[in-house]
Amino acid sequence: EAAVTQSPRSKVAVTGGKVTLSCHQTNNHDYMYWYRQDTGHGLRLIHYSYVADSTEKGDIPDGYKASRPSQENFSLILELASLSQTAVYFCASGGGSTGQLYFGEGSKLTVL
Amino acid sequence: GDSVTQTEGLVTLTEGLPVMLNCTYQSTYSPFLFWYVQHLNEAPKLLLKSFTDNKRPEHQGFHATLHKSSSSFHLQKSSAQLSDSALYYCALSDSGGSNYKLTFGKGTLLTVTP
Repeated sequence: EAAVTQSPRSKVAVTGGKVTLSCHQTNNHDYMYWYRQDTGHGLRLIHYSYVADSTEKGDIPDGYKASRPSQENFSLILELASLSQTAVYFCASGGGSTGQLYFGEGSKLTVL
Repeated sequence: GDSVTQTEGLVTLTEGLPVMLNCTYQSTYSPFLFWYVQHLNEAPKLLLKSFTDNKRPEHQGFHATLHKSSSSFHLQKSSAQLSDSALYYCALSDSGGSNYKLTFGKGTLLTVTP
């Protein structure tokens, strides 16, 4: 039973369009994250949140917004999608004493 | 800032040979180190985490030792299996794991051949 689910799993968007990637977790974790995966760059942190209604910038926040309306939900928003934002995006939740992150299955975004 | 450097790119091994994937780090504080593994078309998942008491973590035949003197946390396995083929990430958390904000390396793609 998946504890971190992402939607959509795959999306094709046009340059300049708006894209929203959604993430839902049932782990009861306080922390949620959005990472971007690119070959040669690994996983890079875009935004994260440790409480509902609050988000923090990660290492590469430019061009992205985030929203955390509840403990369970965390969205990544691309207001004006660009070609350079073509990538696989992973949502994760974390909590407890282990420091372990639990990742969703990923959302593949292609911007044309 | 924090950074993690891994054996870059692709590592190809023959089944049965030992595995060693390098990981070195830079951090202002005394961090926790992690290894995550991602199989093809799957999500990354935790493989190993460093302990505070210098014990050596082990899982699925893999182990890693945190050497603070050399800022390293290399991943090792005595005998590679075909199922070990995956993308491996080394990561660090510099707040004792308490804020769970991980910095990842660029990843090492391990391919094990028969």
